[in-house]
Amino acid sequence: GDSVTQMEGPVTLSEEAFLTINCTYTATGYPSLFWYVQYPGEGLQLLLKATKADDNGRNKGFEATYRKETTSFHLEKGSVQVSDSAVYFCALSDGRDDKIIFGKGTRLHILP
Amino acid sequence: DAGITQSPRYKITETGRQVTLMCHQTWSHSYMFWYRQDLGHGLRLIYYSAAADITDKGEVPDGYVVSRSKTENFPLTLESATRSQTSVYFCASSESRGETQYFGPGTRLLVL
Repeated sequence: GDSVTQMEGPVTLSEEAFLTINCTYTATGYPSLFWYVQYPGEGLQLLLKATKADDNGRNKGFEATYRKETTSFHLEKGSVQVSDSAVYFCALSDGRDDKIIFGKGTRLHILP
Repeated sequence: DAGITQSPRYKITETGRQVTLMCHQTWSHSYMFWYRQDLGHGLRLIYYSAAADITDKGEVPDGYVVSRSKTENFPLTLESATRSQTSVYFCASSESRGETQYFGPGTRLLVL
């Protein structure tokens, strides 16, 4: 079945460092891919999405590219801030199922 | 624009008691979902609903009951609470199959 694998955390970086959180997926067909963010004490919220190969999702300085050849959707940000400290979830939807499949989440700590 | 709300936000109950968690959305989204979030397990789907009067089991439905008599409401009932049901519960909704899910703020449930 479909699945999402993302790097385990926690990831700890200093402010202004470059961030990469890896995400790979297994799916039949052509899924849509998502990154969600969960700030402390809150629910998940959509950070960005991509619906077809080579699409770029961008939001709040974050970016991810849908790479079908490597079945990946890695999240990147050029210069992280303390306020980016959160849990990040990669997810996919293959459009044939009612559900979205979530990865286990990666906790990010940014040190000032 | 209230979006999606959950009540109560915090609940302490005792083993064996019945507990109902409420979820209400104002967008008239067709799909609604209940997840639980536990350390080490990520997000796990309990139940979901594709429309009023249509519900289906997710990954971990045992011990839970749902109903959906109105599109905007999707209550989750723990018929006889157990300590293993101590968790953070999130409700989510989406407009259509496999589309972006919008999450509520969560209910923190402690079963003593």
